[in-house]
Amino acid sequence: QTVVTQEPSLTVSPGGTVTLTCASSTGAVTIDHYPNWIQQKPGQAPRTLIYSTSIQQSWTPARFSGFLLGGKAALTLSGVQPEDEADYYCLLFYGDVHVFGSGTKVTVL
Amino acid sequence: EVQLVESGGGLVQPGGSLRLSCTASTFTFSNYWMHWVRQAPGKGLVWVSRIEKNHGRYTSYADSVKGRFTISRDNAKNTVYLEMRSLRVEDTAVYYCATVNEPLGAWGQGTLVTVSS
Repeated sequence: QTVVTQEPSLTVSPGGTVTLTCASSTGAVTIDHYPNWIQQKPGQAPRTLIYSTSIQQSWTPARFSGFLLGGKAALTLSGVQPEDEADYYCLLFYGDVHVFGSGTKVTVL
Repeated sequence: EVQLVESGGGLVQPGGSLRLSCTASTFTFSNYWMHWVRQAPGKGLVWVSRIEKNHGRYTSYADSVKGRFTISRDNAKNTVYLEMRSLRVEDTAVYYCATVNEPLGAWGQGTLVTVSS
């Protein structure tokens, strides 16, 4: 069974920078996994921020950027705002199925 | 505005069945693969199933639902369905429909399925 691992929680100061990562139990994450990054705030539906590794949705603030780093998918938040406090999930494609990561709770403090 | 609206959730006994619907508006529904994702109370997102765009001949499922859930679509009604059978307590979750890995990036608001006796 494929497992996708993320940091359980990260804390960042307002205006700071934080990088979330997404690792696959099958090996290195590549562009062929089409990494997506999804944000979910308490009580709200999920919202996709990034797809195909690095492409921003039309509503995604420029401070969110997706890329590959050291065999993992990564999401960097630069100039963090209080409203960025949320759960962040990565989603990877494995040829027939998709698998979500365990999620990272980002706290802005 | 792109919209996905799920319906059909509710309370069902273990071993029972339920059919969820997700109706799309303001985009060309038949051009998109459609997905179902679920989230148990207080837990993370879990991918459930997807169906090919256009004729929907190709489908795939997570191992946890394979053989029990069936995804289908009716492009004339702009609707994707999730037929759920042999429901278990662990299927209790909010079920979302969504487009994945697309510029559309659409998600519904979800419908709650509770499996309990």
